[in-house]
Amino acid sequence: KAGVTQTPRYLIKTRGQQVTLSCSPISGHRSVSWYQQTPGQGLQFLFEYFSETQRNKGNFPGRFSGRQFSNSRSEMNVSTLELGDSALYLCASSPWGQAQFFGPGTRLTVL
Amino acid sequence: GENVEQHPSTLSVQEGDSAVIKCTYSDSASNYFPWYKQELGKRPQLIIDIRSNVGEKKDQRIAVTLNKTAKHFSLHITETQPEDSAVYFCAASRISGNTPLVFGKGTRLSVIA
Repeated sequence: KAGVTQTPRYLIKTRGQQVTLSCSPISGHRSVSWYQQTPGQGLQFLFEYFSETQRNKGNFPGRFSGRQFSNSRSEMNVSTLELGDSALYLCASSPWGQAQFFGPGTRLTVL
Repeated sequence: GENVEQHPSTLSVQEGDSAVIKCTYSDSASNYFPWYKQELGKRPQLIIDIRSNVGEKKDQRIAVTLNKTAKHFSLHITETQPEDSAVYFCAASRISGNTPLVFGKGTRLSVIA
């Protein structure tokens, strides 16, 4: 099976802009989770979607949102970008309640 | 919610020696504990996982042990090789509890040839 894919791989935005990141899970996986990775902070959980419903949400401001489509593909959106939003955003898919498989990530730089 | 602490944050070992990374978790209902390896510039990859009905699991040079009473689990790498150099993350969750996977902050392992 093809692995988790994420687009775009790199993004450069300026403060105040918004951005949308996309994730395509492994075929058959219905759960998609998003993480923010920054140096020293490890992997911080943003949210998880399962069958188009947000099942869990991390401790991030409302500027961070997401959704999942009927084909399990997921998008996350960050509005009103801040410098501190610069990070690697990782998407992971799971069959359900089991190991998560990560995509290559989207490197977001906010200037 | 769940909180996972991981130690040490950095670890250097000589090639051929063993490496041990320890994690503690706070939610006694957590029953799934995976370990991920992330090489520089790459995505985290699952290397081994264990469920709470098992005390130990091995896969070649890698083993994970779980102590449910003390709420801690450890990753053991024997006969380390330079290609083991990476950041290792532990995590914990409830498989059936609809809770997210919570990660430790990672351990940067350096294997010195």
